Amino acid sequence: GAVVSQHPSRVICKSGTSVKIECRSLDFQATTMFWYRQFPKQSLMLMATSNEGSKATYEQGVEKDKFLINHASLTLSTLTVTSAHPEDSSFYICSARDLRAGETQYFGPGTRLLVL
Amino acid sequence: AQSVTQLDSHVSVSEGTPVLLRCNYSSSYSPSLFWYVQHPNKGLQLLLKYTSAATLVKGINGFEAEFKKSETSFHLTKPSAHMSDAAEYFCVVSYSPGGGYNKLIFGAGTRLAVHP
Repeated sequence: GAVVSQHPSRVICKSGTSVKIECRSLDFQATTMFWYRQFPKQSLMLMATSNEGSKATYEQGVEKDKFLINHASLTLSTLTVTSAHPEDSSFYICSARDLRAGETQYFGPGTRLLVL
Repeated sequence: AQSVTQLDSHVSVSEGTPVLLRCNYSSSYSPSLFWYVQHPNKGLQLLLKYTSAATLVKGINGFEAEFKKSETSFHLTKPSAHMSDAAEYFCVVSYSPGGGYNKLIFGAGTRLAVHP
């Protein structure tokens, strides 16, 4: 089946630093990947849609300069949290759309970010 | 507009008894609907999906869901709960904002507890 990986699984950083999270589709090509944020005991909220070779599309209320997204290849999208602050601490989850399975999205295991 | 409502935030059942997780949706056109499961510290796993074919959809691990247009419901059921079913379950509706891909809207989630 379609497998999506994320790296790192956990990261702790100091306030003001930047953190990069990678999302990879391991056995399929993904022209479109999605980044979600999940607060404790809450649902997933879509942050942005990442399209290979073009600019990401951000949801309303998500700062594009704060959350930089790059989708440089058909198997890799990165999310960089710039100048991180404690309120950016959250669980970040990516998904990739597998065209072989219609519109089904396959999810990565998530990255837990803690900003001190 | 598309939305999804999970009617129960917590459901508790005894092992071996039936499971019912309720979901109602709102969509301006024929929706694609999904159920995902999230185990602690693991990524989201697709249980099943409805994409306008058979209204009774069978998924993995003995789960199934029935699409009822008249009731705008997509409830998830399982005849006999196992301890390993304890997890967070999300009902999800898909919609197309244009651009050739679909976005997912997640329900708030239902936490299923299974007692011996």
